[in-house]
Amino acid sequence: EAEVAQSPRYKITEKSQAVAFWCDPISGHATLYWYRQILGQGPELLVQFQDESVVDDSQLPKDRFSAERLKGVDSTLKIQPAELGDSAMYLCASSRRGLAGPMHEQYFGPGTRLTVT
Amino acid sequence: AQSVTQPDIHITVSEGASLELRCNYSYGATPYLFWYVQSPGQGLQLLLKYFSGDTLVQGIKGFEAEFKRSQSSFNLRKPSVHWSDAAEYFCAVGALLDSGYALNFGKGTSLLVTP
Repeated sequence: EAEVAQSPRYKITEKSQAVAFWCDPISGHATLYWYRQILGQGPELLVQFQDESVVDDSQLPKDRFSAERLKGVDSTLKIQPAELGDSAMYLCASSRRGLAGPMHEQYFGPGTRLTVT
Repeated sequence: AQSVTQPDIHITVSEGASLELRCNYSYGATPYLFWYVQSPGQGLQLLLKYFSGDTLVQGIKGFEAEFKRSQSSFNLRKPSVHWSDAAEYFCAVGALLDSGYALNFGKGTSLLVTP
């Protein structure tokens, strides 16, 4: 069964350092999402890609966060510099093309647990 | 704006007892509705979804949910809970934005199962 892959699974970094997360979606899934989940909360969308294009990054703190999906397949989310408040689970999800027609379900990866000290 | 409310932060159920987790949504049109489960330190697994049609939907692991438009609810049920069902449960609504579909999640309900 195809799965969304994420790495690393856990990351501990000091504040002001740079950190990057990687996601490989299910093959053939055109839409890729990055979510942030603070402990005790539901996931919140940070950025959404359709192929290699960003279609929604309204909730991405662009002064320190960046995301790319250069070839429309795997994606990287970067934080520079990291702050204490960035400690959270970062989840990647993918779905079939969804700009038109019915919504398609999202499949989630195992997440990256970030701790900023 | 679309939103999801899960009124119960924590629920404790005895193994073998029935379960109902509440979910209320706010959305102008017919929503796409989902229930996800998350075990500690893991990603989210889809339990079931409602897109249209029969308002009672069956999911994996013996779960079901009923869409009630008049009550703006999509409650999750299971007739007999197993210890392995202990986890965090999230209700989500999918809404069509200019940029495509997006999921809005509730804050989750933590389920504890006692012997």
